[in-house]
Amino acid sequence: KAGVTQTPRYLIKTRGQQVTLSCSPISGHRSVSWYQQTPGQGLQFLFEYFSETQRNKGNFPGRFSGRQFSNSRSEMNVSTLELGDSALYLCASSPSGSNQPQHFGDGTRLSIL
Amino acid sequence: QQQVKQSPQSLIVQKGGISIINCAYENTAFDYFPWYQQFPGKGPALLIAIRPDVSEKKEGRFTISFNKSAKQFSLHIMDSQPGDSATYFCAAQGEGSARQLTFGSGTQLTVLP
Repeated sequence: KAGVTQTPRYLIKTRGQQVTLSCSPISGHRSVSWYQQTPGQGLQFLFEYFSETQRNKGNFPGRFSGRQFSNSRSEMNVSTLELGDSALYLCASSPSGSNQPQHFGDGTRLSIL
Repeated sequence: QQQVKQSPQSLIVQKGGISIINCAYENTAFDYFPWYQQFPGKGPALLIAIRPDVSEKKEGRFTISFNKSAKQFSLHIMDSQPGDSATYFCAAQGEGSARQLTFGSGTQLTVLP
């Protein structure tokens, strides 16, 4: 089975721009979660989608949004980028999300100049 | 109450030695406790996980010990190898508002040859 695939692997943007990151979950997995990883804050939960609905949301500003498609693929969007948004953005998938193993992709490294 | 505290921050072990990483949690709603291993440039990979109905789980050289009353759990890596050098994260997950993975701050393990 193919693992979680995230594209692109690297992105460089400037302040004020917006960006869209993509995640393809493991086949058959319906839950997709997004996490932000930074040296200072560690791994922080952004949001979770299940069956095209946002099921849970972390403590991030409204500039961070996401969606899930009928094939379970998910996208994450960040608008009006700030320097502090520089991070590794990780996507994880699981069959249904409730206390089941979550498997991560290798992430998208976003750098804001 | 969502926090998971992890120690030590860094750990240096000789090849063949035992590596021990500890975690503590507060939220009694957590009922699933995975450990992840992360290499540079890669996403976290699920290593081993435990549920609170057992006190220990072993997979190869990796063992989780779980103390429900103390709300603590630990990862033991037996016969540590240089290839085990990585960052290790403990995590906790529950239901509802605790459904997302809450991560510890990470332990950077270095195994000397």
